[in-house]
Amino acid sequence: SQTIHQWPATLVQPVGSPLSLECTVEGTSNPNLYWYRQAAGRGLQLLFYSVGIGQISSEVPQNLSASRPQDRQFILSSKKLLLSDSGFYLCAWSVGGGDGPQHFGDGTRLSIL
Amino acid sequence: GENVEQHPSTLSVQEGDSAVIKCTYSDSASNYFPWYKQELGKRPQLIIDIRSNVGEKKDQRIAVTLNKTAKHFSLHITETQPEDSAVYFCALRPLSYDMRFGAGTRLTVKP
Repeated sequence: SQTIHQWPATLVQPVGSPLSLECTVEGTSNPNLYWYRQAAGRGLQLLFYSVGIGQISSEVPQNLSASRPQDRQFILSSKKLLLSDSGFYLCAWSVGGGDGPQHFGDGTRLSIL
Repeated sequence: GENVEQHPSTLSVQEGDSAVIKCTYSDSASNYFPWYKQELGKRPQLIIDIRSNVGEKKDQRIAVTLNKTAKHFSLHITETQPEDSAVYFCALRPLSYDMRFGAGTRLTVKP
Protein backbone atom coordinates (compact mmCIF):
# COMPACT_ATOMS: atom_id res chain seq x y z
CA SER A 1 0.00 0.00 0.00
CA GLN A 2 1.03 3.59 -0.50
CA THR A 3 2.30 5.78 2.32
CA ILE A 4 3.39 9.39 2.50
CA HIS A 5 5.94 10.70 4.97
CA GLN A 6 6.39 14.33 5.82
CA TRP A 7 8.85 15.88 8.25
CA PRO A 8 9.42 17.56 10.54
CA ALA A 9 6.06 17.55 12.30
CA THR A 10 6.65 20.91 13.94
CA LEU A 11 9.20 23.63 13.32
CA VAL A 12 9.93 26.98 14.94
CA GLN A 13 12.12 29.28 12.91
CA PRO A 14 13.24 32.92 13.22
CA VAL A 15 12.37 35.46 10.55
CA GLY A 16 14.96 35.48 7.79
CA SER A 17 16.12 31.91 8.32
CA PRO A 18 16.03 29.26 5.57
CA LEU A 19 13.51 26.44 5.32
CA SER A 20 13.52 22.90 4.01
CA LEU A 21 10.53 20.59 4.35
CA GLU A 22 10.68 17.12 2.92
CA CYS A 23 8.03 14.74 1.69
CA THR A 24 8.44 11.21 0.38
CA VAL A 25 5.95 8.73 -1.01
CA GLU A 26 6.27 4.94 -0.93
CA GLY A 27 4.44 2.22 -2.79
CA THR A 28 3.73 4.04 -6.03
CA SER A 29 5.62 5.28 -9.08
CA ASN A 30 5.42 8.59 -10.92
CA PRO A 31 2.89 10.17 -8.57
CA ASN A 32 1.64 13.72 -8.85
CA LEU A 33 2.94 15.62 -5.83
CA TYR A 34 1.58 18.75 -4.17
CA TRP A 35 2.42 21.27 -1.47
CA TYR A 36 -0.41 23.11 0.29
CA ARG A 37 -0.44 25.71 3.03
CA GLN A 38 -3.27 26.08 5.51
CA ALA A 39 -3.52 29.14 7.73
CA ALA A 40 -5.18 28.64 11.11
CA GLY A 41 -8.90 28.01 10.66
CA ARG A 42 -8.71 28.44 6.92
CA GLY A 43 -8.84 26.40 3.74
CA LEU A 44 -6.14 24.75 1.64
CA GLN A 45 -3.97 26.95 -0.55
CA LEU A 46 -2.13 25.10 -3.32
CA LEU A 47 1.48 26.28 -3.48
CA PHE A 48 3.19 23.91 -5.93
CA TYR A 49 2.48 20.74 -7.85
CA SER A 50 4.67 18.38 -9.82
CA VAL A 51 3.78 15.77 -12.43
CA GLY A 52 7.34 14.43 -12.78
CA ILE A 53 11.00 14.74 -11.77
CA GLY A 54 12.20 18.29 -12.21
CA GLN A 55 8.74 19.51 -13.26
CA ILE A 56 7.39 22.11 -10.86
CA SER A 57 4.40 24.38 -11.33
CA SER A 58 3.82 27.29 -9.00
CA GLU A 59 0.36 28.48 -8.09
CA VAL A 60 1.22 31.44 -5.91
CA PRO A 61 4.24 33.73 -6.42
CA GLN A 62 6.06 34.12 -3.11
CA ASN A 63 9.39 33.52 -1.43
CA LEU A 64 8.94 29.75 -1.40
CA SER A 65 10.25 27.25 -3.95
CA ALA A 66 9.85 23.54 -4.55
CA SER A 67 12.00 20.84 -6.04
CA ARG A 68 11.55 17.23 -7.04
CA PRO A 69 15.00 15.65 -7.19
CA GLN A 70 13.65 12.09 -7.24
CA ASP A 71 10.43 10.50 -8.42
CA ARG A 72 8.92 10.20 -4.96
CA GLN A 73 10.59 13.08 -3.16
CA PHE A 74 9.21 16.60 -2.96
CA ILE A 75 10.95 19.41 -1.11
CA LEU A 76 9.63 22.83 -0.10
CA SER A 77 12.26 25.50 0.51
CA SER A 78 12.80 29.12 1.32
CA LYS A 79 15.97 31.17 1.52
CA LYS A 80 14.49 33.73 3.93
CA LEU A 81 11.32 33.11 5.90
CA LEU A 82 8.76 35.84 6.52
CA LEU A 83 6.30 36.10 9.41
CA SER A 84 3.51 35.46 6.90
CA ASP A 85 5.00 32.04 6.10
CA SER A 86 3.63 30.63 9.35
CA GLY A 87 1.06 27.91 8.84
CA PHE A 88 0.33 24.24 8.45
CA TYR A 89 2.12 22.80 5.41
CA LEU A 90 0.69 19.69 3.83
CA CYS A 91 2.23 17.46 1.21
CA ALA A 92 -0.08 15.31 -0.89
CA TRP A 93 0.14 12.78 -3.69
CA SER A 94 -2.22 11.40 -6.30
CA VAL A 95 -1.92 8.75 -8.97
CA GLY A 96 0.00 9.96 -12.00
CA GLY A 97 -2.42 10.90 -14.75
CA GLY A 98 -4.75 12.37 -12.21
CA ASP A 99 -7.34 9.68 -11.65
CA GLY A 100 -8.53 9.53 -8.05
CA PRO A 101 -8.14 11.54 -4.87
CA GLN A 102 -5.21 13.30 -3.31
CA HIS A 103 -3.78 11.74 -0.17
CA PHE A 104 -2.24 13.98 2.45
CA GLY A 105 0.75 13.64 4.73
CA ASP A 106 0.52 14.46 8.43
CA GLY A 107 1.66 18.03 7.85
CA THR A 108 4.30 20.34 9.29
CA ARG A 109 3.26 23.10 11.65
CA LEU A 110 5.62 26.00 10.98
CA SER A 111 5.85 28.92 13.39
CA ILE A 112 7.92 31.96 12.51
CA LEU A 113 9.17 34.11 15.39
CA GLY B 1 -9.04 28.87 -11.89
CA GLU B 2 -12.19 27.01 -10.95
CA ASN B 3 -14.08 28.46 -8.00
CA VAL B 4 -15.76 26.19 -5.51
CA GLU B 5 -18.30 27.79 -3.21
CA GLN B 6 -18.99 25.86 -0.01
CA HIS B 7 -21.85 26.54 2.40
CA PRO B 8 -22.36 26.89 5.27
CA SER B 9 -19.02 27.91 6.77
CA THR B 10 -20.15 26.69 10.19
CA LEU B 11 -22.84 24.21 11.12
CA SER B 12 -24.00 23.14 14.56
CA VAL B 13 -26.38 20.21 14.99
CA GLN B 14 -27.67 18.13 17.84
CA GLU B 15 -26.43 14.56 18.12
CA GLY B 16 -28.66 12.28 16.04
CA ASP B 17 -29.72 15.01 13.63
CA SER B 18 -28.65 15.19 9.98
CA ALA B 19 -26.10 17.59 8.52
CA VAL B 20 -25.93 18.79 4.93
CA ILE B 21 -23.09 20.71 3.32
CA LYS B 22 -23.36 22.02 -0.22
CA CYS B 23 -20.81 23.05 -2.83
CA THR B 24 -21.36 24.79 -6.15
CA TYR B 25 -18.99 25.15 -9.07
CA SER B 26 -18.83 26.67 -12.53
CA ASP B 27 -16.59 24.47 -14.73
CA SER B 28 -18.65 21.77 -16.40
CA ALA B 29 -15.47 19.84 -17.28
CA SER B 30 -15.03 18.75 -13.66
CA ASN B 31 -15.59 15.00 -13.38
CA TYR B 32 -14.47 14.01 -9.90
CA PHE B 33 -15.83 15.30 -6.58
CA PRO B 34 -14.25 14.15 -3.29
CA TRP B 35 -15.06 15.15 0.27
CA TYR B 36 -12.44 15.39 3.00
CA LYS B 37 -12.73 15.46 6.80
CA GLN B 38 -10.09 17.28 8.83
CA GLU B 39 -9.98 16.92 12.58
CA LEU B 40 -8.21 19.58 14.61
CA GLY B 41 -4.47 19.55 13.97
CA LYS B 42 -4.70 16.54 11.67
CA ARG B 43 -4.44 15.98 7.95
CA PRO B 44 -7.48 16.04 5.65
CA GLN B 45 -8.74 12.53 5.01
CA LEU B 46 -10.92 11.36 2.16
CA ILE B 47 -14.31 10.19 3.40
CA ILE B 48 -16.30 9.76 0.19
CA ASP B 49 -16.08 10.67 -3.47
CA ILE B 50 -18.30 10.65 -6.55
CA ARG B 51 -17.68 10.74 -10.28
CA SER B 52 -19.68 12.65 -12.82
CA ASN B 53 -21.43 9.58 -14.23
CA VAL B 54 -23.10 8.88 -10.88
CA GLY B 55 -25.81 10.92 -9.18
CA GLU B 56 -25.57 9.57 -5.65
CA LYS B 57 -23.25 7.45 -3.55
CA LYS B 58 -23.71 6.22 -0.01
CA ASP B 59 -21.38 4.75 2.61
CA GLN B 60 -23.13 3.96 5.87
CA ARG B 61 -24.13 7.31 7.44
CA ILE B 62 -22.45 9.39 4.75
CA ALA B 63 -23.84 10.13 1.31
CA VAL B 64 -22.92 12.45 -1.52
CA THR B 65 -25.26 13.70 -4.24
CA LEU B 66 -24.25 15.32 -7.49
CA ASN B 67 -26.36 17.48 -9.79
CA LYS B 68 -24.23 18.13 -12.88
CA THR B 69 -26.91 20.21 -14.60
CA ALA B 70 -27.17 22.61 -11.67
CA LYS B 71 -23.42 22.23 -10.91
CA HIS B 72 -23.67 21.44 -7.25
CA PHE B 73 -22.89 18.51 -4.99
CA SER B 74 -23.70 17.90 -1.36
CA LEU B 75 -22.51 15.87 1.60
CA HIS B 76 -25.16 14.33 3.83
CA ILE B 77 -24.39 12.93 7.26
CA THR B 78 -27.22 11.16 9.04
CA GLU B 79 -27.50 10.23 12.71
CA THR B 80 -24.62 12.54 13.56
CA GLN B 81 -22.30 11.68 16.44
CA PRO B 82 -19.88 13.89 18.43
CA GLU B 83 -16.95 12.27 16.60
CA ASP B 84 -18.31 13.69 13.34
CA SER B 85 -17.26 17.12 14.61
CA ALA B 86 -14.53 18.37 12.25
CA VAL B 87 -13.95 20.63 9.28
CA TYR B 88 -15.25 19.22 6.01
CA PHE B 89 -13.89 20.24 2.62
CA CYS B 90 -15.45 19.60 -0.74
CA ALA B 91 -13.20 19.45 -3.79
CA LEU B 92 -13.32 18.94 -7.51
CA ARG B 93 -10.85 18.24 -10.28
CA PRO B 94 -11.07 20.60 -13.26
CA LEU B 95 -7.87 19.16 -14.75
CA SER B 96 -6.16 15.80 -14.34
CA TYR B 97 -3.34 17.12 -12.15
CA ASP B 98 -5.33 19.71 -10.26
CA MET B 99 -7.72 19.73 -7.32
CA ARG B 100 -9.69 22.72 -6.10
CA PHE B 101 -10.98 22.85 -2.55
CA GLY B 102 -13.87 24.66 -0.97
CA ALA B 103 -13.20 26.94 2.00
CA GLY B 104 -14.44 24.33 4.47
CA THR B 105 -17.37 23.84 6.85
CA ARG B 106 -16.81 23.56 10.57
CA LEU B 107 -19.32 21.00 11.84
CA THR B 108 -20.06 20.80 15.54
CA VAL B 109 -22.21 17.95 16.84
CA LYS B 110 -23.53 18.70 20.31
CA PRO B 111 -24.14 15.72 22.58
